[in-house]
Amino acid sequence: TQLLEQSPQFLSIQEGENLTVYCNSSSVFSSLQWYRQEPGEGPVLLVTVVTGGEVKKLKRLTFQFGDARKDSSLHITAAQPGDTGLYLCAVIMEYGNKLVFGAGTILRVKS
Amino acid sequence: DAGVTQSPTHLIKTRGQQVTLRCSPKSGHDTVSWYQQALGQGPQFIFQYYEEEERQRGNFPDRFSGHQFPNYSSELNVNALLLGDSALYLCASSLRVLPIPDTQYFGPGTRLTVL
Repeated sequence: TQLLEQSPQFLSIQEGENLTVYCNSSSVFSSLQWYRQEPGEGPVLLVTVVTGGEVKKLKRLTFQFGDARKDSSLHITAAQPGDTGLYLCAVIMEYGNKLVFGAGTILRVKS
Repeated sequence: DAGVTQSPTHLIKTRGQQVTLRCSPKSGHDTVSWYQQALGQGPQFIFQYYEEEERQRGNFPDRFSGHQFPNYSSELNVNALLLGDSALYLCASSLRVLPIPDTQYFGPGTRLTVL
């Protein structure tokens, strides 16, 4: 059983559509991170959320941390082909020594 | 300012062989972590090096070993390769500033294929 369950596994949408991807767990975390990974590249940190109920915005991306700090969501408004990639959520474990990732959501935005 | 670099980019080996992957951390970083990312999965933590010592290890067999050099660069060694070792191997560097964990910056990875 994965510590972090991401859904959906795969999403294919048209340019201009909105979408939401989810990261869920039965565990409580002090913080949670979202990364984007493009083909041939390593993951790049998008945001860290630390407070239950927190909402952070990064241009067309909106990140929310659940009130109970067990889950998070990423909403993209008016998706563009440049948003295509693998979206990963992760938590920091063991005093910062390691990141534990979910399996990711593959997003494909067609023009 | 160069980011995290890894070499080689791609590698093809056969079962039973040994492989060494290399990583140079981002300038100013002193900690290197290694991750394995199988196709369709998120990265899985292998181990972390700081001050030339392995500080933390994930659930990987002893066939996976590493080293950190005085200039903070690192190597990942895998012995007796299995087909299941085929994956993207990612190196991440960070600056160890306790007690707050610092951001890990990832390299582009080495794609290892075991035939």
